Amino acid sequence: QKEVEQNSGPLSVPEGAIASLNCTYSDRGSQSFFWYRQYSGKSPELIMFIYSNGDKEDGRFTAQLNKASQYVSLLIRDSQPSDSATYLCAVKGGNKLTFGTGTQLKVEL
Amino acid sequence: ETGVTQTPRHLVMGMTNKKSLKCEQHLGHNAMYWYKQSAKKPLELMFVYSLEERVENNSVPSRFSPECPNSSHLFLHLHTLQPEDSALYLCASSQDPDRGRGNTIYFGEGSWLTVV
Repeated sequence: QKEVEQNSGPLSVPEGAIASLNCTYSDRGSQSFFWYRQYSGKSPELIMFIYSNGDKEDGRFTAQLNKASQYVSLLIRDSQPSDSATYLCAVKGGNKLTFGTGTQLKVEL
Repeated sequence: ETGVTQTPRHLVMGMTNKKSLKCEQHLGHNAMYWYKQSAKKPLELMFVYSLEERVENNSVPSRFSPECPNSSHLFLHLHTLQPEDSALYLCASSQDPDRGRGNTIYFGEGSWLTVV
């Protein structure tokens, strides 16, 4: 079983819709959860992090964490073509940060 | 501008060459990292330095040799690489490698390496 699992996509959504990106993880002791965005040919950039169960909102982005079910998700409201990128989920347990392979998001006009 | 600068951005080298990747962080962080990113694979952590001391080496072949002369600079020396080592090499930094739940990692723009 992969430590951090994401659907590789591509996930296609129309402009203005809500994009929902999901991530599951295997280590129940994981403490911190991060979402990075990576444009093609560029390095990952941090979008959000979340520590506690529930929702955390930042502008058009909402991170959701459910430790009992071991999943973390990222919702992007009012999706824009500029949101088209690969979204990497990263999970930290102890001093180890583990990345998923990423989900490619395509926002279509 | 992420505060983490990598050079060169692109490098093509032969299998017998010796080259180095350079990273500099301007964020005042204590920890620096080298990651490898290959197509369709998760980011692979290669090395971690905390206050210039190597604290993690994830079974990386000896043809990759890191150097951290101070907390702001990190090098990756490359020699006798193989074509399968072609990848994006990302440098990153954070405030502290293993204290606190935060430890947000900030990446440089990466160095695209092609081994021919």
